[in-house]
Amino acid sequence: AQSVTQPDIHITVSEGASLELRCNYSYGATPYLFWYVQSPGQGLQLLLKYFSGDTLVQGIKGFEAEFKRSQSSFNLRKPSVHWSDAAEYFCACNTNAGKSTFGDGTTLTVKP
Amino acid sequence: DTAVSQTPKYLVTQMGNDKSIKCEQNLGHDTMYWYKQDSKKFLKIMFSYNNKELIINETVPNRFSPKSPDKAHLNLHINSLELGDSAVYFCASSQDRVQGGSGELFFGEGSRLTVL
Repeated sequence: AQSVTQPDIHITVSEGASLELRCNYSYGATPYLFWYVQSPGQGLQLLLKYFSGDTLVQGIKGFEAEFKRSQSSFNLRKPSVHWSDAAEYFCACNTNAGKSTFGDGTTLTVKP
Repeated sequence: DTAVSQTPKYLVTQMGNDKSIKCEQNLGHDTMYWYKQDSKKFLKIMFSYNNKELIINETVPNRFSPKSPDKAHLNLHINSLELGDSAVYFCASSQDRVQGGSGELFFGEGSRLTVL
């Protein structure tokens, strides 16, 4: 069965600092991979997705993620964090059976 | 124009009551879902419907009954509410990979259910 692991429950960074959120997946074939962001009191919004091709994908709000097959990872990065990036971030894996599995999420706190 | 809308946004009720949450999507997607997000923010899939047909039914008590009158609507009815049902329930839709889509989920804003 597929699974997604986000090793970091909570990350705190200073505004302007760089950010990397980790995600590891377990799935037999190449899955479709997603990062979603959830602001307080809101639903989830897609940041970016990977299906195939270039392993470095660009998303909204200045985020990018890199797919590394050898490490079964899909880490999310941002070079300079803004206070408005404080939110819950979820990595998800979707198989061709149509089911998305989510990681447990990483809470990002941004210090002024 | 909201893509996935669910009502009500907040529900406060007593144990033992029955309640319903409604969801509608105007994206033309074939698949709709209910997810439960608990107090630790863990997201778990409950049900999935494809074109009105139930395709995913996770281990959910049978007090929870989804209904899809058409592919744009998916409602969730909960009988005999318990304290542990308190959570945020998210509706989502997607065009799945088997239908030529990406599997990207579009979420509603959530319905926060509090059982007293």
